[in-house]
Amino acid sequence: GAGVSQSPRYKVAKRGQDVALRCDPISGHVSLFWYQQALGQGPEFLTYFQNEAQLDKSGLPSDRFFAERPEGSVSTLKIQRTQQEDSAVYLCASSLVGATGLGGYTFGSGTRLTVV
Amino acid sequence: DAKTTQPPSMDCAEGRAANLPCNHSTISGNEYVYWYRQIHSQGPQYIIHGLKNNETNEMASLIITEDRKSSTLILPHATLRDTAVYYCIVRGYNNNDMRFGAGTRLTVKP
Repeated sequence: GAGVSQSPRYKVAKRGQDVALRCDPISGHVSLFWYQQALGQGPEFLTYFQNEAQLDKSGLPSDRFFAERPEGSVSTLKIQRTQQEDSAVYLCASSLVGATGLGGYTFGSGTRLTVV
Repeated sequence: DAKTTQPPSMDCAEGRAANLPCNHSTISGNEYVYWYRQIHSQGPQYIIHGLKNNETNEMASLIITEDRKSSTLILPHATLRDTAVYYCIVRGYNNNDMRFGAGTRLTVKP
């Protein structure tokens, strides 16, 4: 597709449930990023992939958060045992360039997760 | 530590130029200034970036002061569709260091 696609667009989970959020980056984009955006705040970096390698996961808030990109294209962000504080919009972005470079990111529209 | 400081909100009249300031007094020599915007319920959209020279594209102009401690994003003829949160970001050459602050909420009024 022409842009970054994220699914589902909205997700409601009961506290304690596991959720999986999907990101389809732009074809051929080497780098993929996940961000978390709480209501009224700017996006916060979670993790970064270059192809299938997860090069930076310093922003993941706890070990309940796990991301993968096994074939270097589609990525999944998994949250185990969801808590209310996990409620946020989860944004995925991709970039054509690798580990160094000045490319801008292309963002998806995000998945809004609400934990009840 | 935030690398940039932006006013939380600004208004602009439709058809007029919108000038959005950003302070980045601790910027280092190899760091770039990036601007993104985020329209309600969408992901951030790349606008423009620069190092020390002024830059212009079809969306906006970026004016960086000579000492590089501040910059201004200019939307020459703001429209209602430019209402959004605008983020100024300072980043180095590593691809994974795009960090967003709180941004400026620009409201374009008819």
